[in-house]
Amino acid sequence: GAVVSQHPSWVICKSGTSVKIECRSLDFQATTMFWYRQFPKQSLMLMATSNEGSKATYEQGVEKDKFLINHASLTLSTLTVTSAHPEDSSFYICSARNPTSKETQYFGPGTRLLVL
Amino acid sequence: LAKTTQPISMDSYEGQEVNITCSHNNIATNDYITWYQQFPSQGPRFIIQGYKTKVTNEVASLFIPADRKSSTLSLPRVSLSDTAVYYCLVGDSTLGRLYFGRGTQLTVWP
Repeated sequence: GAVVSQHPSWVICKSGTSVKIECRSLDFQATTMFWYRQFPKQSLMLMATSNEGSKATYEQGVEKDKFLINHASLTLSTLTVTSAHPEDSSFYICSARNPTSKETQYFGPGTRLLVL
Repeated sequence: LAKTTQPISMDSYEGQEVNITCSHNNIATNDYITWYQQFPSQGPRFIIQGYKTKVTNEVASLFIPADRKSSTLSLPRVSLSDTAVYYCLVGDSTLGRLYFGRGTQLTVWP
């Protein structure tokens, strides 16, 4: 299957700082990537759709100014959590849509964020 | 967007076949059905995808009846390492967005 990586795998930061998470599709080009958040013992919640070369589309209730998404190339999307607070602590997961496999999304390993 | 319903949990023993059924009554004509497996603190792993009838790969089979209002993931001869949460998703074919339900926690016992 297709490979998607995330960096970093975990990060600890102080409240008020910004954190950037990278998502890369390693063996295919992805015009569309997605960002999810998952709290303990809960399901994944779609946050936004990242479109290469255009603005991201955010799901209802997700603050676009707090979760900045940039999709500057066909293999890289970044999520920046701005002015992070403890309630932003979560598991952030990205996925990339493989254009050669119509509906299939491949997920990254996730990034654990802990805001102190 | 089609909503999916699946059992919250299932238990099985090693070596048994496990069938997890998912209902998706409002599935759209162009929607595919995809199943993912997730272990704790990991991203979901693609298992299988189908549109209709039966699909089989090296790890699972997917059965989809003609009305496509449900689907069944079949895992042959499960092992302890198959203990995970399994998600059934119906894709938004125009935008590709996937909305996860609660999934099914499968626990395999020795």
